[in-house]
Amino acid sequence: GQQLNQSPQSMFIQEGEDVSMNCTSSSIFNTWLWYKQDPGEGPVLLIALYKAGELTSNGRLTAQFGITRKDSFLNISASIPSDVGIYFCAGPILNTGNQFYFGTGTSLTVIP
Amino acid sequence: DAGVTQSPTHLIKTRGQQVTLRCSPISGHKSVSWYQQVLGQGPQFIFQYYEKEERGRGNFPDRFSARQFPNYSSELNVNALLLGDSALYLCASSLWADGANYGYTFGSGTRLTVV
Repeated sequence: GQQLNQSPQSMFIQEGEDVSMNCTSSSIFNTWLWYKQDPGEGPVLLIALYKAGELTSNGRLTAQFGITRKDSFLNISASIPSDVGIYFCAGPILNTGNQFYFGTGTSLTVIP
Repeated sequence: DAGVTQSPTHLIKTRGQQVTLRCSPISGHKSVSWYQQVLGQGPQFIFQYYEKEERGRGNFPDRFSARQFPNYSSELNVNALLLGDSALYLCASSLWADGANYGYTFGSGTRLTVV
């Protein structure tokens, strides 16, 4: 299947630090979405990106749609304990319909 | 307003058995998609239904089937269960078939354990 590679695979940071994670693919995406998943729950949409080069913020979260349309990054500023969870990038590959592909995930642990 | 609801929340089945999982989308949402999430991995697309028609199918065997009802709720059926079918099964709904423009809203999932 299609691969969306996320890095880093896991992060352990101190509360208050900034976080950066990214997602890359060999395929072109026409939309990039970032989700957060807490244990035992379904993914929750954080940010949606629709155009190459687009930079979008949602509170302490900022995400960008890469110019090549094959990558995206997510930044979290001033992390807090409730940021703990697994972050997934996702989206439909260009011209493949509505099937969403999900990344491999980045596990974030915030140490108080 | 209720979000996407899935039932049951947990299920234990024996190899070879059949299972039916249920999903009710957000009111007004006409598209339902099913995903399988194996522990430690991202969700994998299984099916999408829109207006009771199958709009997409992922790379899963024919043991997996689904349907959508007139009220837009959906069922996922898995026959001849294997140990490898143990996973969190997620249902996601969106207003339109093109969930890309709005993002899917996910339910909390059904945790299936096959023993």
